[in-house]
Amino acid sequence: GAVVSQHPSRVICKSGTSVKIECRSLDFQATTMFWYRQFPKKSLMLMATSNEGSKATYEQGVEKDKFLINHASLTLSTLTVTSAHPEDSSFYICGGTSGGALETQYFGPGTRLLVL
Amino acid sequence: GQNIDQPTEMTATEGAIVQINCTYQTSGFNGLFWYQQHAGEAPTFLSYNVLDGLEEKGRFSSFLSRSKGYSYLLLKELQMKDSASYLCALMDSNYQLIWGAGTKLIIKP
Repeated sequence: GAVVSQHPSRVICKSGTSVKIECRSLDFQATTMFWYRQFPKKSLMLMATSNEGSKATYEQGVEKDKFLINHASLTLSTLTVTSAHPEDSSFYICGGTSGGALETQYFGPGTRLLVL
Repeated sequence: GQNIDQPTEMTATEGAIVQINCTYQTSGFNGLFWYQQHAGEAPTFLSYNVLDGLEEKGRFSSFLSRSKGYSYLLLKELQMKDSASYLCALMDSNYQLIWGAGTKLIIKP
């Protein structure tokens, strides 16, 4: 299957700082990328969907100025958590598809963010 | 290395039972998840197994054998709405998720 990587795998930062998480599709071109947040033993909560070269579409309740998403190429999307707070601590997972939202998604290993 | 396998596609009949298998190889293990994903939607958490044995939740059950590197998801009394992809994901020793490619389950009347 297709491979998606995320970097970093875990990050600890101070409250008020910004953190950038990278998501890369290694062996396919991800025309659409998704960013999810996962709470322990819970379903993945979709935060936003981005198409390469376009602005991301955010789900209701997700602050677009706080969670900046850039999808500048077909193999890279970034999520920047700006002015992070402890409540932003979570497991962030990206997914990519070479087609649209209805196509098979391939998921990254996740990034564990801890904000102190 | 780490590896996780599940069938690409399965077909079953409404009202029947289906078992979706997942086999894995890993040097570290912190549990195994099953998710259901309908096309165009976020994956929905179904189960988490970290100890050997069977866990039952209504029509869905999940089984784990750590010594065999094997898990299955059992769906009973299949309904048309169960048509979806079922994702097996392993959490390794670094608490990273290793995803299976997903099994597309097709339910026929």
